[in-house]
Amino acid sequence: AQSVTQPDIHITVSEGASLELRCNYSYGATPYLFWYVQSPGQGLQLLLKYFSGDTLVQGIKGFEAEFKRSQSSFNLRKPSVHWSDAAEYFCAVGVEGSARQLTFGSGTQLTVLP
Amino acid sequence: DTGVSQDPRHKITKRGQNVTFRCDPISEHNRLYWYRQTLGQGPEFLTYFQNEAQLEKSRLLSDRFSAERPKGSFSTLEIQRTEQGDSAMYLCASSPGLGGEKLFFGSGTQLSVL
Repeated sequence: AQSVTQPDIHITVSEGASLELRCNYSYGATPYLFWYVQSPGQGLQLLLKYFSGDTLVQGIKGFEAEFKRSQSSFNLRKPSVHWSDAAEYFCAVGVEGSARQLTFGSGTQLTVLP
Repeated sequence: DTGVSQDPRHKITKRGQNVTFRCDPISEHNRLYWYRQTLGQGPEFLTYFQNEAQLEKSRLLSDRFSAERPKGSFSTLEIQRTEQGDSAMYLCASSPGLGGEKLFFGSGTQLSVL
């Protein structure tokens, strides 16, 4: 069975600083990988996804993520964080050929300092 | 696109009572999902519908849980004889048949079992 680990429960960065959120997955075949963001009182919103091809994927709101098979990682990055990026971020993995049953990590809470 | 709506937003019930939640997916989305999220954790997959057919169920879904999507539009999730361990946020998501890997989540129903 697949699993996802987000090692950082909480990260604090200053506005304008760069950001990297870590995600490690465990799955025997080619994974479908996702990053979702959840703001208080709102549903999860898809930031980006990786299925195949270019290992650097671009998403919404200036986010990008890089798939590294050798490290089983799919870290999320943003070069300059905005105060509105404060939220909880979830990495998720889907089995090959399906995004129906996503396995989510436990999330990373991002705080942005002015 | 009015988004995925869930009703009610909050539900407080006493242990042993039955509760029912409703989810209205984005119109024309033929896939519908239920997830459960507890505090400090990522969402956990519960079940998946394609149109009116319930195609997948998690082992997490005990016999006290039942989900329906009678006409392939809205869905209901019923929990019978609620237990304190059922306290969680219940999330509904939908996706289109094509490009179905992108899930659109509702804001969820927060259940508190006293």
